[in-house]
Amino acid sequence: QKEVEQDPGPLSVPEGAIVSLNCTYSNSAFQYFMWYRQYSRKGPELLMYTYSSGNKEDGRFTAQVDKSSKYISLFIRDSQPSDSATYLCAINDYKLSFGAGTTVTVRA
Amino acid sequence: EAGVTQSPTHLIKTRGQQATLRCSPISGHTSVYWYQQALGLGLQFLLWYDEGEERNRGNFPPRFSGRQFPNYSSELNVNALELEDSALYLCASSSYRGPGANVLTFGAGSRLTVL
Repeated sequence: QKEVEQDPGPLSVPEGAIVSLNCTYSNSAFQYFMWYRQYSRKGPELLMYTYSSGNKEDGRFTAQVDKSSKYISLFIRDSQPSDSATYLCAINDYKLSFGAGTTVTVRA
Repeated sequence: EAGVTQSPTHLIKTRGQQATLRCSPISGHTSVYWYQQALGLGLQFLLWYDEGEERNRGNFPPRFSGRQFPNYSSELNVNALELEDSALYLCASSSYRGPGANVLTFGAGSRLTVL
């Protein structure tokens, strides 16, 4: 069983829509959960991370963790064409274990 | 502040050859991580170096190896190249000493194509 499972999409939404991205993980011991964004031909960059359960908001981005169901989510409000990228969830122990990434296209 | 730099940007090899990829971490970062990003497979953990020592490796054959130099830069060597080694190889660095989140900063990657 993979440590992190993520639907690879792709996902295409109109500008202004809410984008919802989800991952599940297998090991309940993990405490830190991260979201990275990767533009085409670039390396991944950290968007935000959360500790344990709950929500964290940063501008148009909200990350949620539900440890009871081992489910992590990222929501993008008022999506923009510049949000078009691959979004990768990751769980954190001594390294990062990544999901497969979801490719998102926001249509103008 | 300079980010994580990787070279070469692109590399083309033929089956059976060896490839060497290089990484310079962010100044002050002592840990270097290598990941393989093959099409449709996401980022797969390859190797972790810290303070010059290999600390952990992922589920890859021994022909994937590397080292970390005293200045904390690192190189990844792939011997006896196979077609399925074609991928983007990403290097990341970190200054993590715990507790808290281990935030990795990635380079732009080296694209290896095996013909």
